[in-house]
Amino acid sequence: DTGVSQDPRHKITKRGQNVTFRCDPISEHNRLYWYRQTLGQGPEFLTYFQNEAQLEKSRLLSDRFSAERPKGSFSTLEIQRTEQGDSAMYLCASSAGQGFSTGELFFGEGSRLTVL
Amino acid sequence: DQQVKQNSPSLSVQEGRISILNCDYTNSMFDYFLWYKKYPAEGPTFLISISSIKDKNEDGRFTVFLNKSAKHLSLHIVPSQPGDSAVYFCAASRDNYGQNFVFGPGTRLSVLP
Repeated sequence: DTGVSQDPRHKITKRGQNVTFRCDPISEHNRLYWYRQTLGQGPEFLTYFQNEAQLEKSRLLSDRFSAERPKGSFSTLEIQRTEQGDSAMYLCASSAGQGFSTGELFFGEGSRLTVL
Repeated sequence: DQQVKQNSPSLSVQEGRISILNCDYTNSMFDYFLWYKKYPAEGPTFLISISSIKDKNEDGRFTVFLNKSAKHLSLHIVPSQPGDSAVYFCAASRDNYGQNFVFGPGTRLSVLP
């Protein structure tokens, strides 16, 4: 399977703990996106990378959120000192780059975070 | 304030009939619109898109209509099949770059056999 994969699929943690999610995009895609989806809402953009460069991070929800894509392949999203309001589905998506005709993002299955 | 609205949280349609899912937006700068479909325990998958230079785009059983003056778009599925049962998200953007996509809250479509 050569789709976008995310790990773990579900993470349960206690408030105040740090969590990290990993995303492996489709191998030939140079753009990688992180979105968050809460119950009853659509995906909400957080940040994106073109290759290893993080080109937009102002919409990360707070300074407790950070993302990396060190070699332009996989990416990690870290949430420090988790709060109950961080409970959500974290979606990763990849695309072939700017100028592609359809605007199609390829999403992974998501990582569901539950903060107790 | 939601920039992209899908006012029907759910919709039920009989198999073989037409499904019409609606989406309204408020930002007049939006020029590109997409529909994504999501099954349970899966990520959203791209369905169809339309740019503002068109008022209709068709792909098999799926047709998207855009009314820019009304800031309204709709997705028509004809004929509806049970496998179409999913949550449908409308998204809008000023371009076709993913970092600018604004998603609506989704409409859950149930196609009844």
